[in-house]
Amino acid sequence: AQKITQTQPGMFVQEKEAVTLDCTYDTSDPSYGLFWYKQPSSGEMIFLIYQGSYDQQNATEGRYSLNFQKARKSANLVISASQLGDSAMYFCAMREGKFFGNEKLTFGTGTRLTIIP
Amino acid sequence: DSGVTQTPKHLITATGQRVTLRCSPRSGDLSVYWYQQSLDQGLQFLIHYYNGEERAKGNILERFSAQQFPDLHSELNLSSLELGDSALYFCASSARDRGSGELFFGEGSRLTVL
Repeated sequence: AQKITQTQPGMFVQEKEAVTLDCTYDTSDPSYGLFWYKQPSSGEMIFLIYQGSYDQQNATEGRYSLNFQKARKSANLVISASQLGDSAMYFCAMREGKFFGNEKLTFGTGTRLTIIP
Repeated sequence: DSGVTQTPKHLITATGQRVTLRCSPRSGDLSVYWYQQSLDQGLQFLIHYYNGEERAKGNILERFSAQQFPDLHSELNLSSLELGDSALYFCASSARDRGSGELFFGEGSRLTVL
């Protein structure tokens, strides 16, 4: 079974609108972390946001927020007021188990987001 | 700038050849991870080193090997190259001091096998 599922291969969104990128995960470990990365056309992987499995509140980082629904095993990324520079590939990733010495991430297949002027 | 340095950025070689990719992690990070990103396989974990010791192996082929040196830089060796080895190879180090454990990625080494 896929550990990380991103069901949206591509999305087109009008500039300044909010966008939600879907991510569901599968793990039986009670301790895990969820991450979102952005990969622009230049290729580098940029860390956006992190949510721990025991965190009570949804994570936020500037225009990025993570809609964490633990019971549904979903960790959707919300980008508010989208900008042209947000056009990129977005990857959801998960780390299972306790943190120290085990930072290996498993990635989803990604969603290509295109912002339309 | 993530602080992780990878060289070379681009590499073109022929089938059957051998190449070495180099990675310097962020200052203070003891862990180095190698990932392969190809069009058909996505981002695949290859191997993890911590302070010179191999910690975990993923989908790494026997033709591939890696090591981490005492100065913490790491090298990924790819031998008997095949067309299917063409990919973007990432090195990442972990932010242990931040508690969340996110990986900081280098800009990648793009390998083209002709």
